[in-house]
Amino acid sequence: AQSVAQPEDQVNVAEGNPLTVKCTYSVSGNPYLFWYVQYPNRGLQFLLKYITGDNLVKGSYGFEAEFNKSQTSFHLKKPSALVSDSALYFCAVREGPPGGYQKVTFGIGTKLQVIP
Amino acid sequence: EAGVVQSPRYKIIEKKQPVAFWCNPISGHNTLYWYRQNLGQGPELLIRYENEEAVDDSQLPKDRFSAERLKGVDSTLKIQPAELGDSAVYLCASSTRDRGRDGYTFGSGTRLTVV
Repeated sequence: AQSVAQPEDQVNVAEGNPLTVKCTYSVSGNPYLFWYVQYPNRGLQFLLKYITGDNLVKGSYGFEAEFNKSQTSFHLKKPSALVSDSALYFCAVREGPPGGYQKVTFGIGTKLQVIP
Repeated sequence: EAGVVQSPRYKIIEKKQPVAFWCNPISGHNTLYWYRQNLGQGPELLIRYENEEAVDDSQLPKDRFSAERLKGVDSTLKIQPAELGDSAVYLCASSTRDRGRDGYTFGSGTRLTVV
């Protein structure tokens, strides 16, 4: 069974500093990996994805994530945090092909607090 | 382009009452999902539609939950009767035909409180 873990309930970072939100995953085959952000009282917004290719993927709002197969990780990063980045971040995984449809499994979320 | 539209935004009902949620996906998105998000948790899939066909409803509590997607566009999710444990945010999402490579577009959700 596939799973995803976000080991930190909350991450605090000072504005202007780099941020990292951690995610590790477990699938039996090749993973498709995603990051979503959720602002208060809003639905989840897609940030970025890793399907194949370069291990460093770039997404919306200056975020990027690094796929590390040996460590089964897909940490979300941003070089310089903004107060407006404060939100809930969800990592998600599904098993890629071969095979048919596989559902997406979401982590429990990490609250990012950027301190002015 | 309008996003995924859900209504109502909030709903408070007494236990044992019925409730229904409505979702209008992005135009052209064949795949529609209903997720439930409990407080402090990530979303969990309830049901997935490809056009009007429910192709994955394995996580849907069928004794009290039902869903439909007539004509393969709008969808409704119903709970009857509601229980206290059903309090959660119900999220609708849509995507192009699900080959797994695309991110989903989520609506703002319906926050259900059962008292």
